[in-house]
Amino acid sequence: GAGVSQSPSNKVTEKGKDVELRCDPISGHTALYWYRQSLGQGLEFLIYFQGNSAPDKSGLPSDRFSAERTGGSVSTLTIQRTQQEDSAVYLCASSFSGLDTDTQYFGPGTRLTVL
Amino acid sequence: AQSVAQPEDQVNVAEGNPLTVKCTYSVSGNPYLFWYVQYPNRGLQFLLKYITGDNLVKGSYGFEAEFNKSQTSFHLKKPSALVSDSALYFCAVDDYKLSFGAGTTVTVRA
Repeated sequence: GAGVSQSPSNKVTEKGKDVELRCDPISGHTALYWYRQSLGQGLEFLIYFQGNSAPDKSGLPSDRFSAERTGGSVSTLTIQRTQQEDSAVYLCASSFSGLDTDTQYFGPGTRLTVL
Repeated sequence: AQSVAQPEDQVNVAEGNPLTVKCTYSVSGNPYLFWYVQYPNRGLQFLLKYITGDNLVKGSYGFEAEFNKSQTSFHLKKPSALVSDSALYFCAVDDYKLSFGAGTTVTVRA
């Protein structure tokens, strides 16, 4: 079984452009998470999908950030009108059932650089 | 709110010596605690977790962690460190989402 995959591995964009980051979770995992890792803020939760339930968006830093999960599998994180402070590594994780005892398995991340 | 703290930014040890990476937690209810390791330019790799039961948890790559309720700690340990253990280590608490400590950089010198 393949692990969590993310694409692209690196993304360089200009300030004001929109970007899309993709996450493909482990097959059979119903829960999917996005986190952000930056020098100033450490590792922070962004959004959580569990099955067909409404996503928990409580960690999204602004309305420029959005995410969707199609067919209960692949997820896309979209950042509109990117700003330099959005530069970070965006990590995706998945777990089998989304319980707080479940292990979350992480992808390699997408490094976003906003010029 | 659930949180963890890693009091040391850096830990330096000689190869072959014991390695300890400290973590303390603050939770209401049952703590579900995790350790992850991150190698340069890589994602997070799961090492071990404490859910319930035995206070000594064994994980990957020879690591173990001791859950101590009275001291609200969950320190990561390895009896004999290797140079290849040099990495960034994160403690986390799970309340359906993970809340991470700031991380501890471990350097093992040959």
